[in-house]
Amino acid sequence: EVQLLESGGGLVQPGGSLRLSCAASGFTFSSYAMSWVRQAPGKGLEWVLGIRGSGGSTNYADSVKGRFTISRDNSRNTLYLQMNSLRAEDTAVYYCAKSSIAVAGGSFEIWGQGTMVTVSS
Amino acid sequence: SYELTQPPSVSVSPGQTASITCSGDKLGDKYAYWYQQKPGQSPLLVIYQDNKRPSGIPERFSGSNSGNTATLTISGTQAMDEADYYCQAWDSSTGVFGGGTKLTVL
Repeated sequence: EVQLLESGGGLVQPGGSLRLSCAASGFTFSSYAMSWVRQAPGKGLEWVLGIRGSGGSTNYADSVKGRFTISRDNSRNTLYLQMNSLRAEDTAVYYCAKSSIAVAGGSFEIWGQGTMVTVSS
Repeated sequence: SYELTQPPSVSVSPGQTASITCSGDKLGDKYAYWYQQKPGQSPLLVIYQDNKRPSGIPERFSGSNSGNTATLTISGTQAMDEADYYCQAWDSSTGVFGGGTKLTVL
C-alpha cells in the first residue's frame, strides 16, 4: 500500500526553526517528485515546495523562498522540510504529496495525513 | 504570479448536476487537476489531466478544460459528494491551487 507519513510538527516561537519529515512506503520513492502543500486553519490549499525524484531540482513558492528548504534522502525513502525564520502566517497543516511523475508537474496522487505547525509566542 | 479563481460556494440538490469552475489565464493550455477534501481529511485527487479519473473515483465525476476555464462536473450528485473542491495547475514548475469551492448538497 502506498503511504506517506508526516512527522515533526508542533508549536514553535516566531523566528524559530522546525524540520518536518515524510516517510514514504509502497512505491519506488526515487522515481517520483514530491511536494509540500500547506493549509492554514480554515483556509485553502497552498503549494509551497517541490523536489524532483532524483533530488537534483527544487522549486519554491515566493512565500517561503529563502526561509524553507526541501530535501530528500532516497536511501531512506524520506522527504524533509526545513523551516527557518518561522512566522505566524506559516501556521498550517503541512501535507507531503506524491506526484505522478518524476519532475515538476503531474498530479498529487497520494497525500499524507498532515502534520500541524503552530507558530506562536 | 499565476492565479486560479473558483467560486466560494456551489449548491446542488441530490441527484442533480453540479458544476464547479476554475478560471485562469490560458488555463486551457495547461493541465487542470481537481481535488476533493472532506472535513478533517486529506485531499483526494478526483480528476487529473483535465478529464481523467483515477481508479476508484466514480464515473459521475468528469472534467473539461478550454480557453480560460476548467470545469468539474458531478452528475447525479450524492450527499457524500459534499466537500471542498480545489482546482490546481502548474505554472513554470510552480504549483498553483484555486481558492476552493464548498459544494453543498441540499
